[in-house]
Amino acid sequence: AQSVTQPDIHITVSEGASLELRCNYSYGATPYLFWYVQSPGQGLQLLLKYFSGDTLVQGIKGFEAEFKRSQSSFNLRKPSVHWSDAAEYFCAVGPDSTGGGNKLTFGTGTQLKVEL
Amino acid sequence: GAVVSQHPSWVICKSGTSVKIECRSLDFQATTMFWYRQFPKQSLMLMATSNEGSKATYEQGVEKDKFLINHASLTLSTLTVTSAHPEDSSFYICSARDPRGRVGYTFGSGTRLTVV
Repeated sequence: AQSVTQPDIHITVSEGASLELRCNYSYGATPYLFWYVQSPGQGLQLLLKYFSGDTLVQGIKGFEAEFKRSQSSFNLRKPSVHWSDAAEYFCAVGPDSTGGGNKLTFGTGTQLKVEL
Repeated sequence: GAVVSQHPSWVICKSGTSVKIECRSLDFQATTMFWYRQFPKQSLMLMATSNEGSKATYEQGVEKDKFLINHASLTLSTLTVTSAHPEDSSFYICSARDPRGRVGYTFGSGTRLTVV
């Protein structure tokens, strides 16, 4: 069964500092990998995704992530964090075709706080 | 492209009544939609996979008679919480998989259900 681990429940960084959010996955084949961001009371917004090809993926809002098959990781990075980046971040892997739905499996999320 | 609209954004209902939540794909046809439940400060829990024209596939532990899912068209799936009770209060989010493969999975903005 596929799974996603986000080891950091909370992370606090200063505005302007660099950021790395960790994501490790377990999947039987080449996965589809996603990073989503969620603001309080809102749905999920896709930051970036990896399907195939270049292992360094660029996303919106200045985020990037690198797929490392040997480490089963897909860490999210940003060189300079802005106060508006404070939110909950979810890593997800898929598709899981059991049950015929091609569903995603989510990590438990990382709450990012930005100190001004 | 790949926009999912979820309605209503929030709803308050009396215990024992039923509530319907709609999820529409606005610019693509979604043969598969997903319904999630999210408790405060927790990750998304997949409730069911909704397949157009067929019965939904429910995750283990989810009461199919309480959470009725209908996916009657390629752009609309509905979740009806029947005989709602306070413990059903939660944040419900729908998602649709874009079959064109450009985005992957798009999420609605969520529905905050409060049962009083």
